[in-house]
Amino acid sequence: LAKTTQPISMDSYEGQEVNITCSHNNIATNDYITWYQQFPSQGPRFIIQGYKTKVTNEVASLFIPADRKSSTLSLPRVSLSDTAVYYCLVGDGNNAGNMLTFGGGTRLMVKP
Amino acid sequence: SAVISQKPSRDICQRGTSLTIQCQVDSQVTMMFWYRQQPGQSLTLIATANQGSEATYESGFVIDKFPISRPNLTFSTLTVSNMSPEDSSIYLCSVEPGTSGRYNEQFFGPGTRLTVL
Repeated sequence: LAKTTQPISMDSYEGQEVNITCSHNNIATNDYITWYQQFPSQGPRFIIQGYKTKVTNEVASLFIPADRKSSTLSLPRVSLSDTAVYYCLVGDGNNAGNMLTFGGGTRLMVKP
Repeated sequence: SAVISQKPSRDICQRGTSLTIQCQVDSQVTMMFWYRQQPGQSLTLIATANQGSEATYESGFVIDKFPISRPNLTFSTLTVSNMSPEDSSIYLCSVEPGTSGRYNEQFFGPGTRLTVL
């Protein structure tokens, strides 16, 4: 299973764009990249998923370079409510139950 | 999607006792997972509990300590046996419905916060 590495923590201010990068040097051909968000006292929830290039949804964008050895979660114009821990997961999208390893996560603190 | 509830939401237990945590899903799912999250830490997978088969435990977790039941496609229990203060943690269940259109997307319960004295 591909291991992921993320910064332990990041600080930002309201209204700024936040980019969190995840390294996954051993990513396999069938692996997808998924990001989860976890608020205190809650279970993680899905944010975004991608395989290559760029994916955008109503919450975030995910940038994946051609070699796929890293990915960047981009949160536009963060607010205080975006303060959370963000996890990057990598796993074989062709098989169920293959994306279960949570790395250390990045603790994002958004300040007023 | 899937909506998951867990009982109890929190408990304080004495050393040496056991606690059974329940996980209820609002739809039928094959794949269900149990995680542990120690304070300030990431999630660690305890076991995979698929209906119709024995639970599969990750390294460092054994059935005697964390017995799991999966009687049907909407329910599972995790028991934390012979507890010690080191078992103080948040225990989360999750499911992978496979119906969201996204690969391996998991839906998590709110967690059970366990404190062992």
